[in-house]
Amino acid sequence: RKEVEQDPGPFNVPEGATVAFNCTYSNSASQSFFWYRQDCRKEPKLLMSVYSSGNEDGRFTAQLNRASQYISLLIRDSKLSDSATYLCVRDQAGTALIFGKGTTLSVSS
Amino acid sequence: NAGVTQTPKFRVLKTGQSMTLLCAQDMNHEYMYWYRQDPGMGLRLIHYSVGEGTTAKGEVPDGYNVSRLKKQNFLLGLESAAPSQTSVYFCASSSQGNEQFFGPGTRLTVL
Repeated sequence: RKEVEQDPGPFNVPEGATVAFNCTYSNSASQSFFWYRQDCRKEPKLLMSVYSSGNEDGRFTAQLNRASQYISLLIRDSKLSDSATYLCVRDQAGTALIFGKGTTLSVSS
Repeated sequence: NAGVTQTPKFRVLKTGQSMTLLCAQDMNHEYMYWYRQDPGMGLRLIHYSVGEGTTAKGEVPDGYNVSRLKKQNFLLGLESAAPSQTSVYFCASSSQGNEQFFGPGTRLTVL
């Protein structure tokens, strides 16, 4: 049973494109949500936290909709360096994290 | 400040052999975790610890044991390795159970 669902992709976009990833989760008790980025054969790294009010970090915008149990990540003006796998994550009882399987993005020139 | 380190980086075992993976963190984090990552399965939690001397089972604990004798170290043991345990193992730590910092991973092959 996987409690965080993501479209695995791959999403293939040209440089400069805007791309959006979606994620749904099944545990309404979760308090914290994150997007992690994982490059090929590397460890996951935190990209950004996700708040109900929405938050933006440069070209990246994350949104949380608790009523629909839905999280999104928007990447504007895609760069070649954005090519990676993006992991949607929710917390579990404040002690552990549950990771989605990831969405793969490939940005081409 | 090295963050989270893992030893070894690569290992090949024969079925039935045992080994211990070592994770160390220098950030004074209370929480530590062991995950395995397999193609198409994503990251799955094996065991975790919320403090020195405590451990708890995650999603896929069978075939693994852990120990947290020191705050900075979290050991993952395989008593009798099986081919199904071929995977990439990641260790992570966090201060309050939220943002986790990951080590570089250990690539284990069991023949």
